[in-house]
Amino acid sequence: DAKTTQPPSMDCAEGRAANLPCNHSTISGNEYVYWYRQIHSQGPQYIIHGLKNNETNEMASLIITEDRKSSTLILPHATLRDTAVYYCIASPNDYKLSFGAGTTVTVRA
Amino acid sequence: NAGVTQTPKFRVLKTGQSMTLLCAQDMNHEYMYWYRQDPGMGLRLIHYSVGEGTTAKGEVPDGYNVSRLKKQNFLLGLESAAPSQTSVYFCASSYSEGRGSYEQYFGPGTRLTVT
Repeated sequence: DAKTTQPPSMDCAEGRAANLPCNHSTISGNEYVYWYRQIHSQGPQYIIHGLKNNETNEMASLIITEDRKSSTLILPHATLRDTAVYYCIASPNDYKLSFGAGTTVTVRA
Repeated sequence: NAGVTQTPKFRVLKTGQSMTLLCAQDMNHEYMYWYRQDPGMGLRLIHYSVGEGTTAKGEVPDGYNVSRLKKQNFLLGLESAAPSQTSVYFCASSYSEGRGSYEQYFGPGTRLTVT
């Protein structure tokens, strides 16, 4: 599976959009980009995934560059409850996910 | 639906003791997984199962055994616990590929300390 690189931490203001970058320069054509988050010590929670096209759901939007070497997760209106560790994962399937260290996102009032 | 449940929530073992962690899901998922998470790190896959009666090794399988005798249950066993197995253990489940769902559902975790 392709390795992903994320910043270790980032802050964002409550009510503003949070843009979380992820680099996956070695991603292969059959690998999806998945995003999960882990709030405090709970089990991770699925957010969104995509292959080539941009995706949007009720939680977030996923923007994947045309060359697929990087992506951005967008939380449109961050709230304090979005404070969590966010994991970007590249995988050819959904059952062998490799979670790295992720990005610790702190939403500040 | 209860989703994914894990038993027990906390446990303290002495080195060399054995125990079994139970994971149960009520979503009729085919796939089930066991992960461990050490402090400050991401989750690492221990074992997984793609169906009743089948199991496979993940990234860090040594020191653990698993069984999937029933579709809804996935058991993780430690035969001889070691301090290096002190961790938080998460179970997850998902539909099989091709079912149009790519989401893994996680349980609340079991915090295990081996002294």
